[in-house]
Amino acid sequence: KAGVTQTPRYLIKTRGQQVTLSCSPISGHRSVSWYQQTPGQGLQFLFEYFSETQRNKGNFPGRFSGRQFSNSRSEMNVSTLELGDSALYLCASSVEPSGANVLTFGAGSRLTVL
Amino acid sequence: AQRVTQPEKLLSVFKGAPVELKCNYSYSGSPELFWYVQYSRQRLQLLLRHISRESIKGFTADLNKGETSFHLKKPFAQEEDSAMYYCALSGRMNTGFQKLVFGTGTRLLVSP
Repeated sequence: KAGVTQTPRYLIKTRGQQVTLSCSPISGHRSVSWYQQTPGQGLQFLFEYFSETQRNKGNFPGRFSGRQFSNSRSEMNVSTLELGDSALYLCASSVEPSGANVLTFGAGSRLTVL
Repeated sequence: AQRVTQPEKLLSVFKGAPVELKCNYSYSGSPELFWYVQYSRQRLQLLLRHISRESIKGFTADLNKGETSFHLKKPFAQEEDSAMYYCALSGRMNTGFQKLVFGTGTRLLVSP
């Protein structure tokens, strides 16, 4: 079966712009989690959605937002981009909410902010 | 608050040598612990979880609640073990929901 699909894979933006990233989970998976991966900080939890509801949110500013649709696909948005937002954004899905459930990760969306 | 600490950013060993990647955690409840691995140009994937108590690719990890540790071990490292390893903890937040928190990762480099 198809894995977790993230689009776009690469994108370049300038400071002040906004960006929307998309994640399609594995068929049948209803939970989607987002992480920011950087060399210095590792994986930082952004948020998790389950059945279109945000269950958890990490310690990121309000510029970072997300949503989940009825088909479990999820999007995350970053507004007013800053240089420090440059990172690999990973999406992961699981059948039920994360925790004891194993996460299946996508390949990521690499964002570069100039 | 739940926290995962991986003290080593880089661990370099020779092929055939024993490997131990350290992971310490901070959590007041009963944790669920995992090791995830990311090989070069591959996706992050689960290596093992403590509740399974299994050996994957020769790796094992034992949960030590007294020392709050979940170190990953392998008696004889192979070159194909070179990868980035992340320890992760699942704990219940104040919201009542569980959250998976990752450490900063340790890069394992196995030289021939």
